[in-house]
Amino acid sequence: AQSVTQLGSHVSVSEGALVLLRCNYSSSVPPYLFWYVQYPNQGLQLLLKYTSAATLVKGINGFEAEFKKSETSFHLTKPSAHMSDAAEYFCAVSVSGGSNYKLTFGKGTLLTVNP
Amino acid sequence: SAVISQKPSRDICQRGTSLTIQCQVDSQVTMMFWYRQQPGQSLTLIATANQGSEATYESGFVIDKFPISRPNLTFSTLTVSNMSPEDSSIYLCSGTGSGNTIYFGEGSWLTVV
Repeated sequence: AQSVTQLGSHVSVSEGALVLLRCNYSSSVPPYLFWYVQYPNQGLQLLLKYTSAATLVKGINGFEAEFKKSETSFHLTKPSAHMSDAAEYFCAVSVSGGSNYKLTFGKGTLLTVNP
Repeated sequence: SAVISQKPSRDICQRGTSLTIQCQVDSQVTMMFWYRQQPGQSLTLIATANQGSEATYESGFVIDKFPISRPNLTFSTLTVSNMSPEDSSIYLCSGTGSGNTIYFGEGSWLTVV
């Protein structure tokens, strides 16, 4: 069974600073990995995904994540935080292969951006 | 990309009643799922909605409480039965589109009083 651990339930950065949200996964088979963002009172929006192609994945809004198999990590980064990035971020893992796209989510990381 | 619409977007319900949430996808998806997000929590998978057959439920969720239908490739319903305040949550529909992308609806925000 797969699992996801997001280190840090709350991350606070200054506007213009680097954003780093950590995600480690556990999976017995090659995983598909996703980052979603949830703005206040809204649903989930896909930021980016890794599905066994390039290990460095670029997503929307300037975010990117790197899949590191040796570290079982898929950390999310953005070089310069913007006030509009304040939201809850969820890392999720899905078992690859076949038609199994059930997602297991981490507990989420709340990102606050200070002016 | 697939667009997933859910109705209702929000509702306040009396305990003991049932509510059906509808999920409509604008293009065919292979898989459809229902998730629950309790207040301040992450998302938990309730079940996989199977076209034309009974849904596949995850541990801790049962058909009597959360009956699900999926009559065709683009539509599914989730009913929350005999609601209690503990059922106050966001219920999200998701679908798997091309390129192994998993999309979510905006969610249905239920408050049980």
